[in-house]
Amino acid sequence: KQEVTQIPAALSVPEGENLVLNCSFTDSAIYNLQWFRQDPGKGLTSLLLIQSSQREQTSGRLNASLDKSSGRSTLYIAASQPGDSATYLCAPLKSSGSARQLTFGSGTQLTVLP
Amino acid sequence: DGGITQSPKYLFRKEGQNVTLSCEQNLNHDAMYWYRQDPGQGLRLIYYSQIVNDFQKGDIAEGYSVSREKKESFPLTVTSAQKNPTAFYLCASQSLTGGGHEQYFGPGTRLTVT
Repeated sequence: KQEVTQIPAALSVPEGENLVLNCSFTDSAIYNLQWFRQDPGKGLTSLLLIQSSQREQTSGRLNASLDKSSGRSTLYIAASQPGDSATYLCAPLKSSGSARQLTFGSGTQLTVLP
Repeated sequence: DGGITQSPKYLFRKEGQNVTLSCEQNLNHDAMYWYRQDPGQGLRLIYYSQIVNDFQKGDIAEGYSVSREKKESFPLTVTSAQKNPTAFYLCASQSLTGGGHEQYFGPGTRLTVT
């Protein structure tokens, strides 16, 4: 069964810093991996989807990398802003037959201080 | 305006009552999912459906039931058999054609049972 770990559980940084969020998963037989953002009391917003054949995916100040063989993904946030404060979740998608299931980590709660 | 809607946003029920949470999508997605989120934890899969009139149990299906009579709709019933129903419930949808298989989430329903 897929298990997903996100480190650190919480992170507090001053505005302007570059930061890295880590995600590890136990089963490398994945179809893709999604990074999400969740604001308190809200649903999930998809940030990046990285296919299993890709190494990196970029959107604005965000860059996600994937090393499928070692079961790791990182989310890099450049020049952090207070508006980036949220919980970040990673979720690898396992393809087993016709099923398409995401498994979620517990998230990293990010606070960017002005 | 395309997307996923969940209603209501907040729901209060007495113990012993069944309650149905609504999820509708106009993205023409094949698959729909229900997740449960508890404080400080990742999302856990309750049920999913890849086609109309068919659905499968996820990791924590006990005490829940679903139906998929229309492609756009996937309601979740929380029955009195669910021992700990108070939680944040999230619905998602996903296209199974094309390469991405990105999941999109609704805004969630917070259920409180007393």
